[in-house]
Amino acid sequence: NAGVTQTPKFQVLKTGQSMTLQCAQDMNHEYMSWYRQDPGMGLRLIHYSVGAGITDQGEVPNGYNVSRSTTEDFPLRLLSAAPSQTSVYFCASSYSGRAEAFFGQGTRLTVV
Amino acid sequence: KQEVTQIPAALSVPEGENLVLNCSFTDSAIYNLQWFRQDPGKGLTSLLLIQSSQREQTSGRLNASLDKSSGRSTLYIAASQPGDSATYLCAFPMNSGYSTLTFGKGTMLLVSP
Repeated sequence: NAGVTQTPKFQVLKTGQSMTLQCAQDMNHEYMSWYRQDPGMGLRLIHYSVGAGITDQGEVPNGYNVSRSTTEDFPLRLLSAAPSQTSVYFCASSYSGRAEAFFGQGTRLTVV
Repeated sequence: KQEVTQIPAALSVPEGENLVLNCSFTDSAIYNLQWFRQDPGKGLTSLLLIQSSQREQTSGRLNASLDKSSGRSTLYIAASQPGDSATYLCAFPMNSGYSTLTFGKGTMLLVSP
């Protein structure tokens, strides 16, 4: 049982480059979310989705785009990377709004 | 906005001690509470989920309690082991039904042999 899978695990980008962080889950969960984790700031919500075709912004959405075309996948796009986006990114999923959340292993992104 | 505070920020204990990690929150209208463990450089592993109708949950040497009226949750770890060394995070849903979480900043636990 793979759970929540994030790729890549590590990435270095130059300022202004774009990239997509991948997130896939095999648990048939409707709810998926993206968080970033920064020292001293804890985990903060970027975007979330409550089902295919439905997304919404979280606490820190600027500079990121998401889409949800299938139940399994929830990619996070950085359109023009900035050093302030250097962080560890986590994807999470859950069966429902009050169910246990499961997290991926994270993507460590450095923007230089 | 829900504020979540975890005390202490760091804790160092010798192996075998029983210990308590604290999590406090400002809005008692929570739907559930989840405790996670995070090892250095790794993802978050779910430890326990307590629904709002429950007062506690147990898993092995771990026991988590929830007191909504006082805005507190505690994670009790019995007979601590070096393998318990990690950062422990508590989290609450931000909004009704969406399972997007507000996190505390965690307690970093070190258990020495």
